[in-house]
Amino acid sequence: EAGVAQSPRYKIIEKRQSVAFWCNPISGHATLYWYQQILGQGPKLLIQFQNNGVVDDSQLPKDRFSAERLKGVDSTLKIQPAKLEDSAVYLCASSSWNQPQHFGDGTRLSIL
Amino acid sequence: TQLLEQSPQFLSIQEGENLTVYCNSSSVFSSLQWYRQEPGEGPVLLVTVVTGGEVKKLKRLTFQFGDARKDSSLHITAAQPGDTGLYLCAGNSGGGADGLTFGKGTHLIIQP
Repeated sequence: EAGVAQSPRYKIIEKRQSVAFWCNPISGHATLYWYQQILGQGPKLLIQFQNNGVVDDSQLPKDRFSAERLKGVDSTLKIQPAKLEDSAVYLCASSSWNQPQHFGDGTRLSIL
Repeated sequence: TQLLEQSPQFLSIQEGENLTVYCNSSSVFSSLQWYRQEPGEGPVLLVTVVTGGEVKKLKRLTFQFGDARKDSSLHITAAQPGDTGLYLCAGNSGGGADGLTFGKGTHLIIQP
């Protein structure tokens, strides 16, 4: 089966600019997650979707981060405006009910 | 906030040696997972432990879940250079579809 697809793989922007990441989960996986992994740390959950509804966004900095999964399949994560501390790898994962999460290879974001 | 503390953070040993990585928390988890992550890639699931006291083996890797479901360990026997990578433990406090809480990881280098 095809894995979780993410794009772009790398992105370099200046602070205060906007950026968007895209994720295509494994076919049939109802649950989709976005994680932020800062260098030297483990991934931190930003937001979790069940189909097109938000289950948990308690750790999402809502003043600058937004995410959507309009049709319950693909998802986009946006940062506007970006800050230096947003430099990280953004990982998307998906799972079917009560099954382990499968991760994509992430988007590495560098803020100048 | 649930935290998972991993130790050691860095470990460099010679090929053929044994090692143990620890994952500790003050919180109870319904399940705990171990992932391995290579540079530029997403985490890949190694094992899930669910029952207190459970022991699972994956070739030369032995995983144990503490009796109280607050801690876990990963033991590698006769380490090989191919075992080099970042090992992450992650806990799930609720149902199977919940987002994961990750530790900071253990960077393991096996020198030939």
